[in-house]
Amino acid sequence: EPEVTQTPSHQVTQMGQEVILRCVPISNHLYFYWYRQILGQKVEFLVSFYNNEISEKSEIFDDQFSVERPDGSNFTLKIRSTKLEDSAMYFCASRDRANYGYTFGSGTRLTVV
Amino acid sequence: AQSVTQLGSHVSVSEGALVLLRCNYSSSVPPYLFWYVQYPNQGLQLLLKYTTGATLVKGINGFEAEFKKSETSFHLTKPSAHMSDAAEYFCAVTADFGNEKLTFGTGTRLTIIP
Repeated sequence: EPEVTQTPSHQVTQMGQEVILRCVPISNHLYFYWYRQILGQKVEFLVSFYNNEISEKSEIFDDQFSVERPDGSNFTLKIRSTKLEDSAMYFCASRDRANYGYTFGSGTRLTVV
Repeated sequence: AQSVTQLGSHVSVSEGALVLLRCNYSSSVPPYLFWYVQYPNQGLQLLLKYTTGATLVKGINGFEAEFKKSETSFHLTKPSAHMSDAAEYFCAVTADFGNEKLTFGTGTRLTIIP
């Protein structure tokens, strides 16, 4: 069964450093998403991406965040200057046009120290 | 705007008993509804989804859910709980708007009592 792959599974970074979280969506999917889940809390939408541009972003997705699909297969989330409150599990998801089966990756646990 | 309310942040049932996890939604357009399960330190796995057609939806691991428009509900049930069902369960909603995002509820932690 096709999978969404996320790397790394864990990342520890110092406050103020830049991090890039990587995702390889399912190859024939057209819509891409990033979500985050702070420990013990709900899954929150960050951003959606379609046709090489952001479709929608939440209030959380401020100027410190950016997304890219640099080569037609990878989908990255960059946090420019990490803060302690960015510590969370970050999930990538993708979906095809017809089937509303959003497929999630296994997540990247980001710890900012 | 769409939203989901999950009643009961924690639910405990005995092994072999009925599992009932409640989800109510709010949507100004016909909703598409989902249940996801999250095991400890793992990602989100789709249990089942309702888009159109039959309102009783069967999913994996013996779970099912029924879309009730009049009650704006999409409760998740399983006739007989198993120890392996212990996990966090999330209800989510979206709409048929192309790249519309999923909006999640706050989750229900299911504990199975031996």
